Amino acid sequence: NAGVTQTPKFRVLKTGQSMTLLCAQDMNHEYMYWYRQDPGMGLRLIHYSVGEGTTAKGEVPDGYNVSRLKKQNFLLGLESAAPSQTSVYFCATRDSAGDTQYFGPGTRLTVL
Amino acid sequence: SQQGEEDPQALSIQEGENATMNCSYKTSINNLQWYRQNSGRGLVHLILIRSNEREKHSGRLRVTLDTSKKSSSLLITASRAADTASYFCATGPYNNNDMRFGAGTRLTVKP
Repeated sequence: NAGVTQTPKFRVLKTGQSMTLLCAQDMNHEYMYWYRQDPGMGLRLIHYSVGEGTTAKGEVPDGYNVSRLKKQNFLLGLESAAPSQTSVYFCATRDSAGDTQYFGPGTRLTVL
Repeated sequence: SQQGEEDPQALSIQEGENATMNCSYKTSINNLQWYRQNSGRGLVHLILIRSNEREKHSGRLRVTLDTSKKSSSLLITASRAADTASYFCATGPYNNNDMRFGAGTRLTVKP
């Protein structure tokens, strides 16, 4: 079992470019989350999903969009990247019957 | 906004010593979890303590929770160099089951 995987691992964008980060899980978990991690800030929730076809805003959703067309995939999109979106992005999943979150390895994004 | 705040921000100890990290939070919670993050990696769940529990053990880890003070502590006994990592507390759930993470304590264990 791969657990939670994220694609790509690294990416450099220019301001204004768009990209999509992919999170895939093989644990059949209902809940999926996208976080960003910045130095000294801990993790902040961007968007999350409680099931296939549903998404909701988290703490810092501006500038991001998400989609959960399939239960195993959660996509995070940046339509027009800004330097303030330079960060490490983590995806996490959680079973609806549990409290533990399972994290992917992260995507390091730099916006120039 | 962050809910949990870890203290200290950084901690450096010798192998074999105990390491204690603290977490304070602001509002009522259902549970509090501790996660570890090795450099360049994702977070890994260590232990969960529910609001009706006061202490929990898992191997070399001991977690306490004081809901009256809205604080928790994580004790790692007989530390090893491999324990070097950042440790985060997460509290919740809030709204639709999301958790809030603190900024973490960076632990360095010197061999």
